[in-house]
This record gives sequence, C-alpha cells and structure tokens, in this order.
Amino acid sequence: KQEVTQIPAALSVPEGENLVLNCSFTDSAIYNLQWFRQDPGKGLTSLLLIQSSQREQTSGRLNASLDKSSGRSTLYIAASQPGDSATYLCAVILLNSGNTPLVFGKGTRLSVIA
Amino acid sequence: DTGVSQNPRHKITKRGQNVTFRCDPISEHNRLYWYRQTLGQGPEFLTYFQNEAQLEKSRLLSDRFSAERPKGSFSTLEIQRTEQGDSAMYLCASSRDRGSGYTFGSGTRLTVV
Repeated sequence: KQEVTQIPAALSVPEGENLVLNCSFTDSAIYNLQWFRQDPGKGLTSLLLIQSSQREQTSGRLNASLDKSSGRSTLYIAASQPGDSATYLCAVILLNSGNTPLVFGKGTRLSVIA
Repeated sequence: DTGVSQNPRHKITKRGQNVTFRCDPISEHNRLYWYRQTLGQGPEFLTYFQNEAQLEKSRLLSDRFSAERPKGSFSTLEIQRTEQGDSAMYLCASSRDRGSGYTFGSGTRLTVV
C-alpha cells in the first residue's frame, strides 16, 4: 500500500526566507506526483505536476523536484511571502494503479510571518 | 471554463437526515473523483467515475453513501441517515486522463449536528 509522508507537519518562517517542504512515498513505481496548495476551509489548488520521467518543474517562485529511486519530492519556495501561508499537500499516482487515484500526504502547514 | 464547481459550499444537517451534493467537472474531463477530508488530514479517496461508469469505490464508501454521474456530466454524492462522523469536507476533482493532473473544486463542508 502506497504511503505518503510530509515533513515537517508545520513550519513558520519570516517573510523573505527560502524554504523546502519534503514529501516521501513508499512505492517508487509512480506515474506522476502533484503538489497542491490548500487555504483554510477551501479546496485544493494545483501548483505543479511532475511526470515520472521528469526530475523537476518550475512555476514562478516554486520549484518541485522528484527523485523516484529514493521515493522523495521537494517543493522549494523562494523569497516567501505572507500570501504563501497555507497547507501544502503532495499526492502520487501509482504506475500500475489502474483506476487508483491520487494518494495524499497529510500536508505541511506553512505560516510566513511579515 | 470556470473549473470544477461544487454545490452547496456549506451544509448543516441534523443527524439522520439525507444530504446530496453536486459536482460539475471541467467539461472536457471524462474522469471524476470524490474525496473526503477531515481536519488535519489529507483527502481520502471515495469513488471514481469514467464518463458515466463508476469504476472504483473505496471501503470508506459505506452503504449509506451513493454516487451517480448520469450522462457522464455532473455527479451527485448522497449520504443517507447522516451520522456525526460524516462531518467533513467533501471534495470533487476531475481530470482529462491519468497523466494530466487533477483539478479540484472548492468543496462542500458538511456539519452533522
């Protein structure tokens, strides 16, 4: 059974800092990995999608990397802003999952202090 | 295209009542998913449709839960005889195919009192 772990569970940083959020998964045979952002009481907003053949994706101040062999992904946020405060979730689809959907971690709750 | 739409945004119901939620996916997406999320947890899969066919159901989907997707367009999730443990955020997502990523709606927050 695929398990997804996100460390740390919560993180508080001052504005302007660069930071890294970690995601690990137990089964390295993944189809792709997706990072999401969730604001309190809201739905999920897709940030980055990394296909299994890719090693990283970038969007603005965000960079996500993928190392399938070690079962890890990182989300790098540059020059953090108070508006980045949210919960960040990573999720994977298994390679041989058929119809099995995204499996999520519990998320990292980020607070950026002005 | 306005993304994935869910209604209502919030629902408060008394224990034992039935509730129904609606999800309108992105029009060209033939895959539709329902998830449930409780406080401090990641979303958990409930069920999956490809067009109008319900192809996968989680063990979380008890007999009190039923989902439909008539004509392969919008979907409904019904919970019968609600219990306090059903209180959660119910999220709907759609995708074009397995590799193209998921788009989620804003969710329906259910509170059973």
